[in-house]
Amino acid sequence: DTAVSQTPKYLVTQMGNDKSIKCEQNLGHDTMYWYKQDSKKFLKIMFSYNNKELIINETVPNRFSPKSPDKAHLNLHINSLELGDSAVYFCASGSNYGYTFGSGTRLTVV
Amino acid sequence: GNSVTQMEGPVTLSEEAFLTINCTYTATGYPSLFWYVQYPGEGLQLLLKATKADDKGSNKGFEATYRKETTSFHLEKGSVQVSDSAVYFCALSDQTVGNEKLTFGTGTRLTIIP
Repeated sequence: DTAVSQTPKYLVTQMGNDKSIKCEQNLGHDTMYWYKQDSKKFLKIMFSYNNKELIINETVPNRFSPKSPDKAHLNLHINSLELGDSAVYFCASGSNYGYTFGSGTRLTVV
Repeated sequence: GNSVTQMEGPVTLSEEAFLTINCTYTATGYPSLFWYVQYPGEGLQLLLKATKADDKGSNKGFEATYRKETTSFHLEKGSVQVSDSAVYFCALSDQTVGNEKLTFGTGTRLTIIP
């Protein structure tokens, strides 16, 4: 039973399109996150939500809009996709005692 | 702000060699420290953690000790295996209430040769 699951695993799309990535956790955590991993494997936080409330927004372009319908779900919607958005996006949940990551969504913008 | 500095890779070792991957950090307060591992084509898995000074995290033969005096959390393993080939990330967690998040190092790619 997957703890943090995100879909899709792969996403190839054209520039200018709008796409969404979904994330669900069954660990009962209050806080969920989106991280971006670039081509050099560097990981950087994008957003965090605590119990459906936006807590962290790390200077991400407003084309990226997270949405949390409940504390077990945190989706990421991206408008007007650009080539530079190509990356692996990881969802995570947890706290300072431990964070659990999803398996990632590889987004390729062509 | 918080930051994590890891030794740059890639690191290539022979099977059964001793492994050290250095990690130092800069943080306000008393962060928790983590090592995550990413196997090829997979997501991040928690390898070990330490939540306070002098704590030692250990898992699968890997160890790291939280050294406040040197602000370090070096990863060690006495005898590596081919299956340990992966990218290893050192990370710290800001304990500030309302700002909990992981700050990662740049990752170290480890390749073990049979």
